[in-house]
Amino acid sequence: GNSVTQMEGPVTLSEEAFLTINCTYTATGYPSLFWYVQYPGEGLQLLLKATKADDKGSNKGFEATYRKETTSFHLEKGSVQVSDSAVYFCALSGDNQGGKLIFGQGTELSVKP
Amino acid sequence: DTAVSQTPKYLVTQMGNDKSIKCEQNLGHDTMYWYKQDSKKFLKIMFSYNNKELIINETVPNRFSPKSPDKAHLNLHINSLELGDSAVYFCASSQDGSLGQGSRNTIYFGEGSWLTVV
Repeated sequence: GNSVTQMEGPVTLSEEAFLTINCTYTATGYPSLFWYVQYPGEGLQLLLKATKADDKGSNKGFEATYRKETTSFHLEKGSVQVSDSAVYFCALSGDNQGGKLIFGQGTELSVKP
Repeated sequence: DTAVSQTPKYLVTQMGNDKSIKCEQNLGHDTMYWYKQDSKKFLKIMFSYNNKELIINETVPNRFSPKSPDKAHLNLHINSLELGDSAVYFCASSQDGSLGQGSRNTIYFGEGSWLTVV
């Protein structure tokens, strides 16, 4: 079945450091890929998405490229801020899945001043 | 205006009680969902409805009963609450249930309902 694997957290970085959170997936067909962010005590917000191979999603300085050849969708940001501290979830939704999102286990990011 | 709103945000209740969480979306979407986030923050779909019709039921105990009176509402009723039901429950919606390749759909989540069973 379809699945998503994220790098283990927590990840601790200093402000202005470069961020990479790895995400790989297993899926039949051609899924859409998503990154969601959950700030402490809050709900899930869509950060970015890509719906076909080689698409790049971007938002708020974050980027991720849909790599079909490596089945990956790694999240990157060039310079993190303290306000980026949150849990980040990679997710996929396959064709004919009724909109079902399959999530990775989440990666907690802590950015220190 | 909040796009997907759910109430209550926090709920503390005793084992054995019956409780409901309500969800409403004002986006005009046809498809609504319930997701559960456990204590390790793992998220898993429970149910989805498309235009009031049940589409996905992910082997959830039958103590959980979703009800969709119209396509803008999807409520979650839980009977005989158990300690293991303590979690955050997220309601969500999308235009329809097609999210695969090339889809312009996005799933929007509510703020979550923190349920604690004591």
